[in-house]
Amino acid sequence: QQPVQSPQAVILREGEDAVINCSSSKALYSVHWYRQKHGEAPVFLMILLKGGEQMRHEKISASFNEKKQQSSLYLTASQLSYSGTYFCGTEYQIDGGSQGNLIFGKGTKLSVKP
Amino acid sequence: DAGITQSPRHKVTETGTPVTLRCHQTENHRYMYWYRQDPGHGLRLIHYSYGVKDTDKGEVSDGYSVSRSKTEDFLLTLESATSSQTSVYFCAISPGTGPALHFGNGTRLTVT
Repeated sequence: QQPVQSPQAVILREGEDAVINCSSSKALYSVHWYRQKHGEAPVFLMILLKGGEQMRHEKISASFNEKKQQSSLYLTASQLSYSGTYFCGTEYQIDGGSQGNLIFGKGTKLSVKP
Repeated sequence: DAGITQSPRHKVTETGTPVTLRCHQTENHRYMYWYRQDPGHGLRLIHYSYGVKDTDKGEVSDGYSVSRSKTEDFLLTLESATSSQTSVYFCAISPGTGPALHFGNGTRLTVT
């Protein structure tokens, strides 16, 4: 079952902030975040593990709320280079461990304008 | 790149014909994956492999088969292509189930 990402799309001006959410109805073991630019392959940003700390990649950070089974990606002081589609990929928890494969959300399209 | 190559990059084929897509890696990673990407659906797992000759189904495996006879190669076969299999296909590799996936550049397949 795919995790749900919100919003589906967001338009920002350079320097503005944005938050992208990824929610699951099933218990999560980890959440991965990837960014994909138009016509290119998805590129890994960061992993958040159950019980782990907030992660950061440049001015992009993410958190993992185990109680809500939700991860949030925070884009601070956005740059033109942040434009693209952001995907969360979730590993579900089975018997305290991971079920093994990543199931991706449908993506959030981020457009940063000058 | 993480040493992963997909071929062909583009292919147009007719309904009913068999098609094989190839993924080749030079990283000696144990895990290899095939995803398809369609507008409004994100990335969906078709099949994956956790070692030579060890494969399993993903979310959308109907109409697809895979083979892995060598660590470096993972083949995706559409036995009889249908228009619903028109998509962009991505191969990904990983040393294990937890670490990040590294994706190939994709194969754009059009079934007419």
